[in-house]
Amino acid sequence: AQSVTQLGSHVSVSEGALVLLRCNYSSSVPPYLFWYVQYPNQGLQLLLKYTSAATLVKGINGFEAEFKKSETSFHLTKPSAHMSDAAEYFCAVSRSYRDDKIIFGKGTRLHILP
Amino acid sequence: EAGVTQFPSHSVIEKGQTVTLRCDPISGHDNLYWYRRVMGKEIKFLLHFVKESKQDESGMPNNRFLAERTGGTYSTLKVQPAELEDSGVYFCASSQVQARETQYFGPGTRLLVL
Repeated sequence: AQSVTQLGSHVSVSEGALVLLRCNYSSSVPPYLFWYVQYPNQGLQLLLKYTSAATLVKGINGFEAEFKKSETSFHLTKPSAHMSDAAEYFCAVSRSYRDDKIIFGKGTRLHILP
Repeated sequence: EAGVTQFPSHSVIEKGQTVTLRCDPISGHDNLYWYRRVMGKEIKFLLHFVKESKQDESGMPNNRFLAERTGGTYSTLKVQPAELEDSGVYFCASSQVQARETQYFGPGTRLLVL
């Protein structure tokens, strides 16, 4: 069975500092991996996705994530945090060749300190 | 292009009442999904429509939940009778047949059962 683990339900970083949100997955076969973001009072927005092409995936708003099969990780990073990055971030996995359901982690709320 | 829309944005009902949630997918998206996030838990898959047919309803919690997609356009999710544990945020998502792995989410309906 697939699962996703996000380390830290809350992460605080200073404005301008590196953002690192950790995600580990378990899957018996190479999955599709996603990061979604939910800004306050808004829906889920796709930040980026990995679908077995390049292992370093660039997304919107300066975020990127690296797929590391040996570590079963898909950590999300951004070099310099901005106040507008404050939101809840969800790591997720799916196996679209089998079924379409997306399995989400519990989410990490990112706080940006001035 | 309009995104996925959901109605209502919020609903507060009493235990035992009936509530119907509506989702309008992105035009041309044959795949439609329902997900739910109960307070403090991860977002979980409920079911998947392909056009008007239920492709996968493995995540539906019990027979108090009824989803329909008549005509293969918008979908409704009815909860009857509602219980306290049904409170949460109900998300709808849609995707194209040729790009199933990329699901676009709506803003969600926040349901509170008192």
